[in-house]
Amino acid sequence: NAGVTQTPKFQVLKTGQSMTLQCAQDMNHEYMSWYRQDPGMGLRLIHYSVGAGITDQGEVPNGYNVSRSTTEDFPLRLLSAAPSQTSVYFCASRLQGAYSPLHFGNGTRLTVT
Amino acid sequence: GQQVMQIPQYQHVQEGEDFTTYCNSSTTLSNIQWYKQRPGGHPVFLIQLVKSGEVKKQKRLTFQFGEAKKNSSLHITATQTTDVGTYFCAGPSTGNQFYFGTGTSLTVIP
Repeated sequence: NAGVTQTPKFQVLKTGQSMTLQCAQDMNHEYMSWYRQDPGMGLRLIHYSVGAGITDQGEVPNGYNVSRSTTEDFPLRLLSAAPSQTSVYFCASRLQGAYSPLHFGNGTRLTVT
Repeated sequence: GQQVMQIPQYQHVQEGEDFTTYCNSSTTLSNIQWYKQRPGGHPVFLIQLVKSGEVKKQKRLTFQFGEAKKNSSLHITATQTTDVGTYFCAGPSTGNQFYFGTGTSLTVIP
C-alpha cells in the first residue's frame, strides 16, 4: 500500500494563478482532509470529506475549493492564489469515526509570489 | 469553537534531560491523539488516550489524559537525538473533525 500520496512536492505560483493539489489514498478510508501548516500556527483544517460526494469546511476554508468524486481522491483547488496561501499543505485520511488515527501524506510546499 | 492550546512552543534540552509538553482544551474531549513530526517530514500518529486519567507508555514516552479530559501531557525521559521534532496533540470537535494544537518543537543538544 502506498498510503496517502500527494503531488506535487513543491510548487511556485504567481499571485492570481490557479492550481490543484492532488491527494490520493489506497486504504479505503472514508474520511479525507486538507491541513495547512504555518510556523507557530500548528496544523489548521481547510476542508474535509466524510465520503464521496460529501465535503465540508474546516477552520480556514476561504480561497480553497474541494470535491470528492471517488473514495480515493480528494483534490484541493486554489482558484486565485494569494501570498497568504504560501504554506505547507498536508492531506490526511482515516477510517470514519473520531477514534481512528490520521494518516498523512508527505506534504506540498507551496510558495506564492 | 473548540481550541487546543499547547505549551511550550519551543524546548531545547541537553541529551539525557527530560522533556514535557502540555496540551489544554477549552472543552471536554472524548479522546486526544498525539503526533510527531520529524524536521521536513509529515505528522505521524503516536498514541490515543480515551479514558479520564489514562496513562500510557511507549518506551521512554509517557502520555497522560487529565481527569477532566480537558488536558493532556507528553513526557519524554532521558531524551535522545532521535526525539527531535515537533509534537502535536489533536482533539476532536463537533462532527469529529480533529483540531491540532500549535505544537512543541523539541531540539536535543548532543
